[in-house]
Amino acid sequence: AQSVAQPEDQVNVAEGNPLTVKCTYSVSGNPYLFWYVQYPNRGLQFLLKYITGDNLVKGSYGFEAEFNKSQTSFHLKKPSALVSDSALYFCAVRERQKLVFGTGTRLLVSP
Amino acid sequence: ETGVTQTPRHLVMGMTNKKSLKCEQHLGHNAMYWYKQSAKKPLELMFVYNFKEQTENNSVPSRFSPECPNSSHLFLHLHTLQPEDSALYLCASSQGVSSGSREQYFGPGTRLTVT
Repeated sequence: AQSVAQPEDQVNVAEGNPLTVKCTYSVSGNPYLFWYVQYPNRGLQFLLKYITGDNLVKGSYGFEAEFNKSQTSFHLKKPSALVSDSALYFCAVRERQKLVFGTGTRLLVSP
Repeated sequence: ETGVTQTPRHLVMGMTNKKSLKCEQHLGHNAMYWYKQSAKKPLELMFVYNFKEQTENNSVPSRFSPECPNSSHLFLHLHTLQPEDSALYLCASSQGVSSGSREQYFGPGTRLTVT
């Protein structure tokens, strides 16, 4: 079965600093990987995905993610964090018809 | 917003009540999903519909009954629920299930509390 792991429950970063939210995956075959963000009292919003091709994927709101096959990782990054980036972030992998989600990482960006 | 709407946004029901959750997508997608989001747990897929046909039931108890009358609408009928069923129920849609590269678009969810 495909799975993803988000090893950090929470990440704290100061506004203006770079941020990284970690995700590792375990799949058989080529992975289809996704990042979603959830703001309070909202559903999940799609940020970006890796299917094939360039290992650096750019997405919404200035986020990007780097696919690393040797480390089986797909970390989410942003060069300069904003207070408004504070939210819950989910990594996911495609398995047959469904997405398998990680447990989520809460990002707190302080002013 | 994402083009997927859910009603009601909040629902409180007793264990003997019957209620329904509604989801509508305005994106022209043909696949729809129900997820359950509980505190401290990963999102759990409940049901998948593709072109109105149920293609996956993730061992969901029969007190949850889905209905998909067309590709734009999805319902979740609830009866004799338990307090542990209290959660955020999320609906999502995508352009088909056969292509693994398609992202899913989520509604805002229904916050369900079972008393």
